[in-house]
Amino acid sequence: DTAVSQTPKYLVTQMGNDKSIKCEQNLGHDTMYWYKQDSKKFLKIMFSYNNKELIINETVPNRFSPKSPDKAHLNLHINSLELGDSAVYFCASSPRTAPNQPQHFGDGTRLSIL
Amino acid sequence: DQQVKQNSPSLSVQEGRISILNCDYTNSMFDYFLWYKKYPAEGPTFLISISSIKDKNEDGRFTVFLNKSAKHLSLHIVPSQPGDSAVYFCAASAHNYGQNFVFGPGTRLSVLP
Repeated sequence: DTAVSQTPKYLVTQMGNDKSIKCEQNLGHDTMYWYKQDSKKFLKIMFSYNNKELIINETVPNRFSPKSPDKAHLNLHINSLELGDSAVYFCASSPRTAPNQPQHFGDGTRLSIL
Repeated sequence: DQQVKQNSPSLSVQEGRISILNCDYTNSMFDYFLWYKKYPAEGPTFLISISSIKDKNEDGRFTVFLNKSAKHLSLHIVPSQPGDSAVYFCAASAHNYGQNFVFGPGTRLSVLP
């Protein structure tokens, strides 16, 4: 009965490959997010979706494409992986895109590019 | 350009004593602040928050203090317990930024038995 679940937990792949990370939440939340935690441990928002519509799209290479088939799912597809994409990617959700709504995070996907 | 800073990468405290974790921010538009706790191989978990209209918020052993003039907030844990050992992230947002939270780099707290 995990609230926000991401798969896979670990992903090791070669430079140039295309990969996807899946995220699902069973909290009934309207808004979902993708964050990247880099080597300096900063958590930086990448995308935010509200009811399947893109709300926030921070400065992220267009090799990263989020897809939300329904409000409970937000997948992240990455094309032509580069060494700098190695990081931990966290999915999160919140009840709505109002301020002051704490976000619920998944356990992260550790992506390693060889 | 770090808008949210946690200048202590790590902190060690004896069990039963007070833990004080600090956070500084630069953007005066920030009006809502949160603390998250993170265990290894898990996602951050919301701990406590404070709005800029307050200077203190308390929840059990956890208290957050906000000093707007200094652009500084702190998280106090009293008494500290070994289970509190984790990484603590400070995050901030502005009402006109929607849900765009800016996170600090975290402070690793170790509570020694």
